[in-house]
Amino acid sequence: SAVISQKPSRDICQRGTSLTIQCQVDSQVTMMFWYRQQPGQSLTLIATANQGSEATYESGFVIDKFPISRPNLTFSTLTVSNMSPEDSSIYLCSARQSYEQYFGPGTRLTVT
Amino acid sequence: QQQVKQSPQSLIVQKGGISIINCAYENTAFDYFPWYQQFPGKGPALLIAIRPDVSEKKEGRFTISFNKSAKQFSLHIMDSQPGDSATYFCAAPALSNTGKLIFGQGTTLQVKP
Repeated sequence: SAVISQKPSRDICQRGTSLTIQCQVDSQVTMMFWYRQQPGQSLTLIATANQGSEATYESGFVIDKFPISRPNLTFSTLTVSNMSPEDSSIYLCSARQSYEQYFGPGTRLTVT
Repeated sequence: QQQVKQSPQSLIVQKGGISIINCAYENTAFDYFPWYQQFPGKGPALLIAIRPDVSEKKEGRFTISFNKSAKQFSLHIMDSQPGDSATYFCAAPALSNTGKLIFGQGTTLQVKP
C-alpha cells in the first residue's frame, strides 16, 4: 500500500492570502488526486493531478483558485488562493496504486 | 450529477453484532468499489475494496457484497467491536480507469460495549 504524507497538517490563515499544501507518496504512482472534505461531511474531488501536464478540474473548481503542480510521480502540491472563510475545510491528497486508492492524513485549513 | 446513495446515515450496534451499510450507485462505470474507514481527525483509510467481476469479498471480519444488476453494494462487519466505531464511506468509480471516485455521504457507526 502507498503511504502518503501531507504538509502542513493544519493551518490558520488570513482572508485573501494563499496556502500551498504538499503531498508526498512513498512510491511512484500514476494517479494523484486532491479532495476536499467539510467537517462531518463526505469527500468531494477537486482535481486530478497529472504528471507533466495541467491538472484536470472537476465542476465547480478552477485552476485560478486551486492551482496544482505535479512535478514527478511521487509529489504534488495544491494551492488554495485568495482564501475566504468558505475555503475552511480539510484538504486530502490521494494516490492510486494498481486499483487501490489511498489517502493522506489531510490538511485542516481555517480561514479567518 | 452522478450520486452514490449510502444508508443508514448512522448506526448503533451492540458489541458482537453485525453492522450492515448499504450503497447504491447510478453510473455504469465498472472499475473498483472501495470502502473507507475514517476516525476523527484522520484521513480515510482503505478498508476493503471489490472489483465488479466478483459478487463477494471477505477480509477478516469485513465483507463486501456486490450486486451488479441492482447497482448496489454493501459492507458487513461481523462481530462488531467498539474499536470499529468510526465513519464509513463507500465510493464508486465516476469513470472507469480514471481513478475518480464518487463518495457516499458516510455512515457513523457506534458499537456499544
